[in-house]
Amino acid sequence: KAGVTQTPRYLIKTRGQQVTLSCSPISGHRSVSWYQQTPGQGLQFLFEYFSETQRNKGNFPGRFSGRQFSNSRSEMNVSTLELGDSALYLCASSLAVAGGATTEAFFGQGTRLTVV
Amino acid sequence: DAKTTQPNSMESNEEEPVHLPCNHSTISGTDYIHWYRQLPSQGPEYVIHGLTSNVNNRMASLAIAEDRKSSTLILHRATLRDAAVYYCILRDGNQFYFGTGTSLTVIP
Repeated sequence: KAGVTQTPRYLIKTRGQQVTLSCSPISGHRSVSWYQQTPGQGLQFLFEYFSETQRNKGNFPGRFSGRQFSNSRSEMNVSTLELGDSALYLCASSLAVAGGATTEAFFGQGTRLTVV
Repeated sequence: DAKTTQPNSMESNEEEPVHLPCNHSTISGTDYIHWYRQLPSQGPEYVIHGLTSNVNNRMASLAIAEDRKSSTLILHRATLRDAAVYYCILRDGNQFYFGTGTSLTVIP
């Protein structure tokens, strides 16, 4: 079956602009999570969506937002981009069972965002 | 946030077993222990997970200490394709708490 698809794979934006990244989960997966990966901070949790509702949120400023559509596809948006937002943004999908801790998550290849 | 501690790097000879340790002294009763690995230019890939008992699958084995404050990922015969960063993660629900991971180098 098709894996998690993230688009675009690479993106270059200018400081102050905004950006929208897209994630299509594996068919049947209703939970989508987003992560930011940088050399200095490693992998950090941004937020998780399930059935179009944000269930968990990491410690990121309000410039980072997301949403999930009825088909489970998810987008994340970053407004007023800063140089420090340059990172690999990863999304992961998983079957949403109660708690969810027993299921594996499938990650996409990520979107490499460069802010100049 | 629950945290994990792993060595920054390890080396192994090809076709030898590798034991990757992880400390998670603040683990709670509901936290599952997950291991993922990340190859260069790819997203993390699931390896194995467990709660209290040791677990085996086609990729690896997971040995969990009786007090659950530490665990060890065991690769039975390292291959060059196993060179990656290995993350030990405590998972509560659908939120992962990633540590810094262990970069595994496999020497031919």
